[in-house]
Amino acid sequence: DQQVKQNSPSLSVQEGRISILNCDYTNSMFDYFLWYKKYPAEGPTFLISISSIKDKNEDGRFTVFLNKSAKHLSLHIVPSQPGDSAVYFCAASADGNQFYFGTGTSLTVIP
Amino acid sequence: NAGVMQNPRHLVRRRGQEARLRCSPMKGHSHVYWYRQLPEEGLKFMVYLQKENIIDESGMPKERFSAEFPKEGPSILRIQQVVRGDSAAYFCASSPSSTPFHYGYTFGSGTRLTVV
Repeated sequence: DQQVKQNSPSLSVQEGRISILNCDYTNSMFDYFLWYKKYPAEGPTFLISISSIKDKNEDGRFTVFLNKSAKHLSLHIVPSQPGDSAVYFCAASADGNQFYFGTGTSLTVIP
Repeated sequence: NAGVMQNPRHLVRRRGQEARLRCSPMKGHSHVYWYRQLPEEGLKFMVYLQKENIIDESGMPKERFSAEFPKEGPSILRIQQVVRGDSAAYFCASSPSSTPFHYGYTFGSGTRLTVV
């Protein structure tokens, strides 16, 4: 039972443009959300977080948007850079400890 | 300041053998989490431990799998009598607090277990 879904397995974007990665969840009890980036043969690296008391959080080129009523969050990367090419996972949690991860979206930024 | 250290990076076991995966958390981190990533899937939570205590093992298979985080030494994920379906990447993460939300977990590079 996949409680967190990333329906786009892959995404290609031109360098300098915006990358938008989407994530949907089914459990209305989820209040904590994380985005991770993963390169091959490495562990995931934390990018940005958001809790349900906010609808937007920014950190440099990365912005996460949360629409709690739609159970949807998205990660925007502006401007996209070739080094951003990686697999991006969203994760959600009700208690801030046990996180449910999506299956990932592979982002390719084309120079 | 070393990150989360996992070893071995790669482990090959024959069916029926035991696999032991080790995780040393970041310095100052007393909370350890184990996740498993099966091919073509996302990371799935297995277990959350603090020193000498299992806090949440709701993601652990009921049989053959066990985890510990002793007072001294690394956390160990142990898989007895491995089967082909255990082949996966096993990631360990650590956190300085019981609510890693604000900083996210810090993940190790994982152990890739292959059962032949």
